[in-house]
Amino acid sequence: EAGVTQFPSHSVIEKGQTVTLRCDPISGHDNLYWYRRVMGKEIKFLLHFVKESKQDESGMPNNRFLAERTGGTYSTLKVQPAELEDSGVYFCASSQYRLYEQYFGPGTRLTVT
Amino acid sequence: QKEVEQNSGPLSVPEGAIASLNCTYSDRGSQSFFWYRQYSGKSPELIMFIYSNGDKEDGRFTAQLNKASQYVSLLIRDSQPSDSATYLCAGINAGGTSYGKLTFGQGTILTVHP
Repeated sequence: EAGVTQFPSHSVIEKGQTVTLRCDPISGHDNLYWYRRVMGKEIKFLLHFVKESKQDESGMPNNRFLAERTGGTYSTLKVQPAELEDSGVYFCASSQYRLYEQYFGPGTRLTVT
Repeated sequence: QKEVEQNSGPLSVPEGAIASLNCTYSDRGSQSFFWYRQYSGKSPELIMFIYSNGDKEDGRFTAQLNKASQYVSLLIRDSQPSDSATYLCAGINAGGTSYGKLTFGQGTILTVHP
């Protein structure tokens, strides 16, 4: 069974540009989560999808971040326009019936210069 | 005060010893706790979860939870160099709409030296 995959693995963009991160959850997992780790800080929750619906987006930092989950399959996280403080590693995770067993992807390292 | 705090480490133990990793939490509504292992540059990997007071054992790993003291720990027996990684403690509060939100500590770096 394939794990959670994320694309790209690294992205370097300039301040003010737009970046879109993609996450493909484990097949059949209805729950999809986005987390972020900025340098020197703990991993922080961004949002939680159940199928295509946003269950909880309490961790989204501001309206420059837009997450979507088309058809309840893969998800994208768009940052527009990017700021320096958006740099970090963005993790995606998914889970099925056991909501608490979240499986993480390898992350996308975003660098905003 | 951070919601989940871990002893900052780094923690270094000799091969074969017991490694003890500790975590405290401030949200009394947190009901379940998770230990993730993360190798450098890799994704966090779930190794144990616990939701009842007491001990839970799985192979060389034992998780302990004390809700009265708001304390969670992970013991690794017979530590191996392959256990060297960052260990992340996370809690979840299943109430309300944020029932899927893991709250992480900052992690403890463990090094097991031969």
